[in-house]
Amino acid sequence: LQLQESGPGLVKPSETLSLTCTVSGGSISNNDYFWGWIRQPPGKGLEWIGIIYYTGNTYYNASLKSRVTISVDTSTNHFSLKLHSVTAADTAVYFCARLGAYGEAEFDYWGQGTLVTVSS
Amino acid sequence: QSVLTQPPSASGTPGQRVTISCSGTISNIVSNYVHWYQQLPGTAPKLLIYRINQRPSGVPDRFSGSKSGTSASLAISGLRSEDEAVYYCAAWDDSLSGPLFGGGTKLTVL
Repeated sequence: LQLQESGPGLVKPSETLSLTCTVSGGSISNNDYFWGWIRQPPGKGLEWIGIIYYTGNTYYNASLKSRVTISVDTSTNHFSLKLHSVTAADTAVYFCARLGAYGEAEFDYWGQGTLVTVSS
Repeated sequence: QSVLTQPPSASGTPGQRVTISCSGTISNIVSNYVHWYQQLPGTAPKLLIYRINQRPSGVPDRFSGSKSGTSASLAISGLRSEDEAVYYCAAWDDSLSGPLFGGGTKLTVL
């Protein structure tokens, strides 16, 4: 299984950050797993953003919930992240990952990560 | 506020045994499984230990995990230079209704 993030590396303040995670080597519709986004500001730790099930059910970190939208496209085997009204504090490496189950913190496959810088 | 607390740094010499602690609360470590991730410089985190003490295929048995009460620990025996990395604990948090990561421990092999 492989996951690959893609999207712009530079976003202006107040605009929307949009990333896609393409899953290969397995189906995103596998009902055993959830799919998630995690970010890591430069030199800092990991922060969970949200997770999605192939049915479209989503669960978001309360601290970001008002600005986050995660969606899934089972026909193309990818899921996406939109983070609205970004500021410099949203500058981070964004990872997509597979979650073993809801109620767990077991992310067993990760993308390589993509750096998104928020700057004018 | 839900937090998993780890020491910011740890160190050891080759061949030594080191442990990294992770302190939490009833809403995370006590109630749910603890997992550990290893992040080498410039790479994505890698699942190192899952469900307290299980190792994914390919992870050496030098790595082991345990849990007691509100704390969990990662032990690395026979320390090697390639173990130099940042280690994160993680657990589902029932208050957050989501996964929670510790702040990370940077392990230096002297």
